[in-house]
Amino acid sequence: VQMVQSGPEVRQPGSSVNVSCKASEGTFSSYTINWIRQAPGQGLEWMGRIIPILGISNYAQKLQGRVTMTADKSTMTVYMGLTRLRSEDTAVYYCARAGPYGMDIWGQGTTVTVSS
Amino acid sequence: DIVMTQSPLSLPVTPGEPASISCRSSQSLLHNNGDNYLDWYLQKPGQSPQLLIYLGSKRASGVPDRFRGSGSGTEFTLEIRSVEADDVGVYYCMQALQTPPYMYTFGQGTKLEIK
Repeated sequence: VQMVQSGPEVRQPGSSVNVSCKASEGTFSSYTINWIRQAPGQGLEWMGRIIPILGISNYAQKLQGRVTMTADKSTMTVYMGLTRLRSEDTAVYYCARAGPYGMDIWGQGTTVTVSS
Repeated sequence: DIVMTQSPLSLPVTPGEPASISCRSSQSLLHNNGDNYLDWYLQKPGQSPQLLIYLGSKRASGVPDRFRGSGSGTEFTLEIRSVEADDVGVYYCMQALQTPPYMYTFGQGTKLEIK
């Protein structure tokens, strides 16, 4: 079982980014997918989650209005989109599957750099 | 938002000695189903985080039994019975309370280092 994320991204301030996370079929139908980010030298920050099979999502208060999580059932891929990027959004972004037993499988992380 | 507070933030430990990390929640994580929705994660240097403990006290698959989670409500503890060199990294508690609005939060992290 793996969660495979897309490659590194570099964006200018004010632009948007989409990060993908491909899951196995069992993961897509039976788990939620969470997104967590980690700014350089900082701790973990939970961003939100999506129930892929239903397309229902919940977002952290501070990111509401800028973050959108979607799921493509045909490719078993979950996407995290972040708009109006600023330098503080520079971070490693992780996806992780969560079931009744915690977030047990994590992606390898995707580095997003916001710089002019 | 539920605020998670860990202590200490830095934990130097001699190999073979025990270690303990405290995690306090601003709201009770005890669900009316009897489960405490508190997890512990370890992020080793240069790696993605890994699950150690879920539902407050249940060890994840493959986690050695020298790791023990305990607590209920708003007070939780992660104990390592005998620290090994491989335990180095940052330990995070996270609340995952399964009630609306389904917003989770991590503690600040505790950095464990070997003396």
